[in-house]
Amino acid sequence: DQQVKQNSPSLSVQEGRISILNCDYTNSMFDYFLWYKKYPAEGPTFLISISSIKDKNEDGRFTVFLNKSAKHLSLHIVPSQPGDSAVYFCAARGGSSNTGKLIFGQGTTLQVKP
Amino acid sequence: EAEVAQSPRYKITEKSQAVAFWCDPISGHATLYWYRQILGQGPELLVQFQDESVVDDSQLPKDRFSAERLKGVDSTLKIQPAELGDSAMYLCASSEWTGRSYEQYFGPGTRLTVT
Repeated sequence: DQQVKQNSPSLSVQEGRISILNCDYTNSMFDYFLWYKKYPAEGPTFLISISSIKDKNEDGRFTVFLNKSAKHLSLHIVPSQPGDSAVYFCAARGGSSNTGKLIFGQGTTLQVKP
Repeated sequence: EAEVAQSPRYKITEKSQAVAFWCDPISGHATLYWYRQILGQGPELLVQFQDESVVDDSQLPKDRFSAERLKGVDSTLKIQPAELGDSAMYLCASSEWTGRSYEQYFGPGTRLTVT
């Protein structure tokens, strides 16, 4: 049972434009969501997070939106840069676990073209 | 900037052999996680330690996998015997409890290939 889903395996955008990465979840008990970026041959790097009590969190070029009623979150990157090309994972915490365990989506590969 | 250290970075082994991975978390981080990432999928938690105690190993194949964190600092993950399906990236992460934040910091991973 895939509790966190990223239905788009890949996304290609032009440099300077907006990148929107989407993530859906099924467990309404999740209380914290995170986005990680991963370059090849490296471990995931924490990017931005949002608590379930908020609907938006912004950090520089990165903004995460949370729609609890739709069980959907999205990551907006504006403006996109070639260095943003990587695999992006969304992750969720909570549910039946209170240990801090994260459930990850399958990832979306973003390519930003110069 | 403090980082999670892992070794080796790459490991090739034959099936039925034993293999071990090492992780040194960020200093002061009490929680340590081992994840497995199969190509095209997200990381999946294998085992979680709080200090030296296991708090979640529900997804660890205990017939062949073992993990320890004897002094509550560094940790070792072992596979014996390795099977072809174990080929994956093994990631270690650590975290500290900081109020409402739950960020986990990942090491570079160990890429395991079983032949």
